[in-house]
Amino acid sequence: DAKTTQPTSMDCAEGRAANLPCNHSTISGNEYVYWYRQIHSQGPQYIIHGLKNNETNEMASLIITEDRKSSTLILPHATLRDTAVYYCIVSPRGAGGTSYGKLTFGQGTILTVHP
Amino acid sequence: GAGVSQTPSNKVTEKGKYVELRCDPISGHTALYWYRQSLGQGPEFLIYFQGTGAADDSGLPNDRFFAVRPEGSVSTLKIQRTERGDSAVYLCASSGGTAETQYFGPGTRLLVL
Repeated sequence: DAKTTQPTSMDCAEGRAANLPCNHSTISGNEYVYWYRQIHSQGPQYIIHGLKNNETNEMASLIITEDRKSSTLILPHATLRDTAVYYCIVSPRGAGGTSYGKLTFGQGTILTVHP
Repeated sequence: GAGVSQTPSNKVTEKGKYVELRCDPISGHTALYWYRQSLGQGPEFLIYFQGTGAADDSGLPNDRFFAVRPEGSVSTLKIQRTERGDSAVYLCASSGGTAETQYFGPGTRLLVL
C-alpha cells in the first residue's frame, strides 16, 4: 500500500473550518484515499473515502488533487468533539463487496479544536 | 444497530500466561480484522478473516499469536506465553456487503506485568 505523509499536529478554532492535508505521491491507480479518526480511548471511526472525485458526506468533505498525489480533509465547522487523531490511508477497494483487507495506519495528525 | 463489541475491555495478566480476547462483529459482516495499537502509535494490522478462513495473517508478530473464527462470526485472538511487549490495545473491526468500510470496536486494553 502507498505511504502517506501528514503533519504531526494542527490547531483549529471552534466553528472554523479544519483543513487536514495528506500527501500520497506513490498512490496507485486502484487505491482509494480513506480518512479515519480516533477520539481518545475509542476505536477508529470511518469518516470518508474517495478515488479521484471530490466527496462530501454529513461529516466532512474530501478534496483530491487531479494528479491524486495529495488530498485534504475538510471539517467545515469544527467543534470541540472533533478533537482527535486523524488518519489518512490509501488502500485498494474492490467492487461488489470484495474486500481487500488491511488498513495501514501511519502516525496521523493530532487535531486540537479550541474554544 | 449494535456495533462491534470486544471483551474484556481491560485485561491484566502476568508474563508467561495465556490470554484470549473476543470480538463480536456487526451481524452479517463477513470480513473481520484484528489490529494492535501501542501507545502513541497508529493501529497495526494483525490478521484478516473472510468468513471462517484467515485471508491474510501476515501481521501476526510470531507463533505465540493465533486467531480463530470457527463459525464466521465471533473471533478470538489468542496469545500464548505473554510478554511485557504484548501490552497494547487490541482492536477488532468488521466490514461487509457493498460498504467495505471497516467499523471498529472499542478495543481490549491488555497489560502484561
